[in-house]
Amino acid sequence: GQNIDQPTEMTATEGAIVQINCTYQTSGFNGLFWYQQHAGEAPTFLSYNVLDGLEEKGRFSSFLSRSKGYSYLLLKELQMKDSASYLCAAYTNAGKSTFGDGTTLTVKP
Amino acid sequence: DGGITQSPKYLFRKEGQNVTLSCEQNLNHDAMYWYRQDPGQGLRLIYYSQIVNDFQKGDIAEGYSVSREKKESFPLTVTSAQKNPTAFYLCASRDLNQPQHFGDGTRLSIL
Repeated sequence: GQNIDQPTEMTATEGAIVQINCTYQTSGFNGLFWYQQHAGEAPTFLSYNVLDGLEEKGRFSSFLSRSKGYSYLLLKELQMKDSASYLCAAYTNAGKSTFGDGTTLTVKP
Repeated sequence: DGGITQSPKYLFRKEGQNVTLSCEQNLNHDAMYWYRQDPGQGLRLIYYSQIVNDFQKGDIAEGYSVSREKKESFPLTVTSAQKNPTAFYLCASRDLNQPQHFGDGTRLSIL
């Protein structure tokens, strides 16, 4: 079976750093992806990890520990436009995907 | 430009009616996916297909059907057996070990 957990809501201040955690239990795990979704729109890709470690892409970074079933998305220099839902998704070797319910991030001035 | 096209953007279904949502991609991706999203929820997998003429049930396949006769196309039919079809439906495609590309979605409502 597959199960993914992430916090429902988070609040942070403009200019700050925020870390969104995601834990997963996935048989045949083959990668963990992070997406951003604004209300009423389709998700857009942010970052992904297949192997353990940190992947950095500008203001966004993602970390993976396969042995712990744990990932996080790190957002630096927060901007008001970063207010959105952040979805983590685990994929299996067979190509199946499971998404978490998303973390709604609110950035305040 | 390459991308995924979903149509229509809005769709209304009458009681007892089947409706088909279109998804076309010109990214030459092998894998395609259908998701359902309810308000305040994450994406739930309905069906997915890794290659042409093959597809697998996702976590909530009951009341839905798909076909994959061409690499570019993965239509989803919402049958009358799906008693609560009102939702935002998203189609996606990807290459192996790469991120998914999503269409803009179809909003389905009951008349």
